[in-house]
Amino acid sequence: EVQLVESGGGLVQPGGSLKLSCAASGFIFSASDIHWVRQASGKGLEWVGRIGSKVDNYATAYAASMKGRFTISRDESRNTAYLEVSSLTIEDTALYYCTRHETYTAGYYFYYYMDVWGKGTTVTVSS
Amino acid sequence: EIVMTQSPATLSVSPGERATLSCRASQSVVNNLAWYQQKPGQTPRLLIYGASTRATGIPARFSGSGSGTEFTLTISSLQSEDFAVYYCQQYNNWPSFGPGTKVDIK
Repeated sequence: EVQLVESGGGLVQPGGSLKLSCAASGFIFSASDIHWVRQASGKGLEWVGRIGSKVDNYATAYAASMKGRFTISRDESRNTAYLEVSSLTIEDTALYYCTRHETYTAGYYFYYYMDVWGKGTTVTVSS
Repeated sequence: EIVMTQSPATLSVSPGERATLSCRASQSVVNNLAWYQQKPGQTPRLLIYGASTRATGIPARFSGSGSGTEFTLTISSLQSEDFAVYYCQQYNNWPSFGPGTKVDIK
């Protein structure tokens, strides 16, 4: 079964940091890009960033509002991706999902989407 | 950054009726547009990619159309399990999501 399982969330004080994990199984992790998406309670989905596969030299990209405090990495030996967040603020309180990037090719066009989602891990920033 | 908007924010529909959801991009995303369904307390589920291709296992009552900056998700005959929030997402460069349309029971 293709699966992503997030962990590492919890209660953190403002200004603190946290490292979230995303464990993959059921597919070739090394060939897949992984995204992180977050969702505050009762709000919409917000893209955090992405890490490419070895083919992309593990290139990372982040939403403009996330640059500087968010770091995505991966460990191929553990089939796991990570999201480190520093200088946490109350606004970072959310459910954090990891997702698998997929590409569909139709002629000259490439279509990108997120086909597998984990159940998420909750980060609560509060004093 | 490409900004996505969705309308309406809430759509009230009776079971068996047709639902039409709109999504607009601030600049052309060609056909790099996906739709996701999210039910309360659940993970988002991919419905449509490439603007009009249904994902594996998605019923035929879901269809997507549009290109460039204007897109539509149509649910031809709403079933009880279709009441949810629907998000569009562009991925022409880096992804961004629309704010969602909540489809609830009329």
